Amino acid sequence: DTAVSQTPKYLVTQMGNDKSIKCEQNLGHDTMYWYKQDSKKFLKIMFSYNNKELIINETVPNRFSPKSPDKAHLNLHINSLELGDSAVYFCASSLSIGQPQHFGDGTRLSIL
Amino acid sequence: KNEVEQSPQNLTAQEGEFITINCSYSVGISALHWLQQHPGGGIVSLFMLSSGKKKHGRLIATINIQEKHSSLHITASHPRDSAVYICAVRPKGQGNLIFGKGTKLSVKP
Repeated sequence: DTAVSQTPKYLVTQMGNDKSIKCEQNLGHDTMYWYKQDSKKFLKIMFSYNNKELIINETVPNRFSPKSPDKAHLNLHINSLELGDSAVYFCASSLSIGQPQHFGDGTRLSIL
Repeated sequence: KNEVEQSPQNLTAQEGEFITINCSYSVGISALHWLQQHPGGGIVSLFMLSSGKKKHGRLIATINIQEKHSSLHITASHPRDSAVYICAVRPKGQGNLIFGKGTKLSVKP
């Protein structure tokens, strides 16, 4: 049973399109995160939700909109995709804020 | 300058060697995490510590809060330890993690 699962694993799309990445955790955790890992493998927090409430929103273009329908899901929707959005996006969850995080396998987004 | 600095950036070792990876940070923190990213891309949390030392199998993590420094040690290294090791800190009063750029470890048989 995968604890934190992301879909899709790979996403190749054209510039200007809108796409979504889904994340689900079956750990019963309250807190979920989205991270972006760039081509230099540098990880950076994008968003964090605690019990469906947005608690961290780093400097991310408003083309990125997270949605948490319930505390087991945190989806990431991206409008008007740009070349610079190409990266690996990781979802993670933790029991609560500050606890060890469990990561999904990542979604590799490639913009053509 | 990044708030979290790791050294070395790359490390090649022979199987069996004792390995040390260092992490220095410049902010006050609530906790420090060590993560492992496998060549396939998956990320695993190894340790979370706020003081002292933790041990799990052949892995040992230490932290010195006064010196703002942490080390990750691997004893009796093995080729399967080859991965990128990432240090991340949680600043005091914040919920997010700030990551170092990672140390790429290759252990040769």
